[in-house]
Amino acid sequence: AQSVTQLDSHVSVSEGTPVLLRCNYSSSYSPSLFWYVQHPNKGLQLLLKYTSAATLVKGINGFEAEFKKSETSFHLTKPSAHMSDAAEYFCVVPSGTYKYIFGTGTRLKVLA
Amino acid sequence: EPEVTQTPSHQVTQMGQEVILRCVPISNHLYFYWYRQILGQKVEFLVSFYNNEISEKSEIFDDQFSVERPDGSNFTLKIRSTKLEDSAMYFCAGNGVGDYEQYFGPGTRLTVT
Repeated sequence: AQSVTQLDSHVSVSEGTPVLLRCNYSSSYSPSLFWYVQHPNKGLQLLLKYTSAATLVKGINGFEAEFKKSETSFHLTKPSAHMSDAAEYFCVVPSGTYKYIFGTGTRLKVLA
Repeated sequence: EPEVTQTPSHQVTQMGQEVILRCVPISNHLYFYWYRQILGQKVEFLVSFYNNEISEKSEIFDDQFSVERPDGSNFTLKIRSTKLEDSAMYFCAGNGVGDYEQYFGPGTRLTVT
């Protein structure tokens, strides 16, 4: 069965410093993987997706993620955090009949 | 750009009452889903729907829940007799054939008092 583990429930960074949000997956085959962002009291917005093409995936708002099969990881990074990046981030893997399995989420706090 | 819409944005109901949450998916999507997110927790899969029938459902999706697509555009989630623990944000989503990317609606916040 597919699953994802988000290793940090909370991450705090200073504005202008790099962001790293960690996600490890478990799958019996090379999966598709997604990162979604949820701003306070808002819906879910797709940040980026990996679908077995390039292993380095670029998304919106300067975010990117690298699929590493050897480490079963799909960590989300951004070179320089902005105050508007403060949100909850979910790593997601499809399973079964396309249903999504969500990670537990990482709340990103950006300090001025 | 086409988008998924959900109504109402916020629903307050008393325990034991029936509620219907409505979604209008993107028109060319064929797979539909409901997820819920209890405040402060992760997003959980409830049910998937394809070809006018349930494809898969989670253990959360018990006999109190039902889904239907009555008119080929709306996709509804009905909770027959709401409980306090049904209070959550409910998201509708959809995708096309062969496309793992799901498109989410903005959610309906259900508050059961």
